[in-house]
Amino acid sequence: SQQGEEDPQALSIQEGENATMNCSYKTSINNLQWYRQNSGRGLVHLILIRSNEREKHSGRLRVTLDTSKKSSSLLITASRAADTASYFCATDRNTGNQFYFGTGTSLTVIP
Amino acid sequence: EAQVTQNPRYLITVTGKKLTVTCSQNMNHEYMSWYRQDPGLGLRQIYYSMNVEVTDKGDVPEGYKVSRKEKRNFPLILESPSPNQTSLYFCASSSGRASGNTIYFGEGSWLTVV
Repeated sequence: SQQGEEDPQALSIQEGENATMNCSYKTSINNLQWYRQNSGRGLVHLILIRSNEREKHSGRLRVTLDTSKKSSSLLITASRAADTASYFCATDRNTGNQFYFGTGTSLTVIP
Repeated sequence: EAQVTQNPRYLITVTGKKLTVTCSQNMNHEYMSWYRQDPGLGLRQIYYSMNVEVTDKGDVPEGYKVSRKEKRNFPLILESPSPNQTSLYFCASSSGRASGNTIYFGEGSWLTVV
């Protein structure tokens, strides 16, 4: 069964605005990762946050993790048209060898 | 350049005709995995392998086989493809225990079974 679920399913914003997408999961995790997928292409790793971390930054990306609520958020600041893609969260299971990917948030950044 | 290479990228085949999708990585990764991506269902794990000769079922293994005879290769075998296996398939690899490490994905293989 799926564990990671992203919200919203689709998001459309103007260039320069911030984009926030959320991920909820059901069971305990070791780590949570965010990935990006351009249309029909492979997924590309963006950022990893460990279960004992609450916030992490990488360039224009900010990820938060709330293990008590079993949720994470990905914030993209000052969005660009090139950020148009689908974004997925991936949660591992306790074994660390299997992953759940959500159905993704489709982000459109309008120039 | 670090790469996960899948072939073929696009394939249309007929029901019941055995096919193999190859996957190769050049990063000496121990962990490799196959996913399928379907609209509304996200990515679902088919099989994964922790090392040579070690494979395990993921969430949707039915109708698929894998083998890991060499560290760099992890082919996905559809012995008797059916239309419900029409999907976009991704091979992925990671160093060591996958959790806590970046997963590298191939570019995907579009498979249509008619």
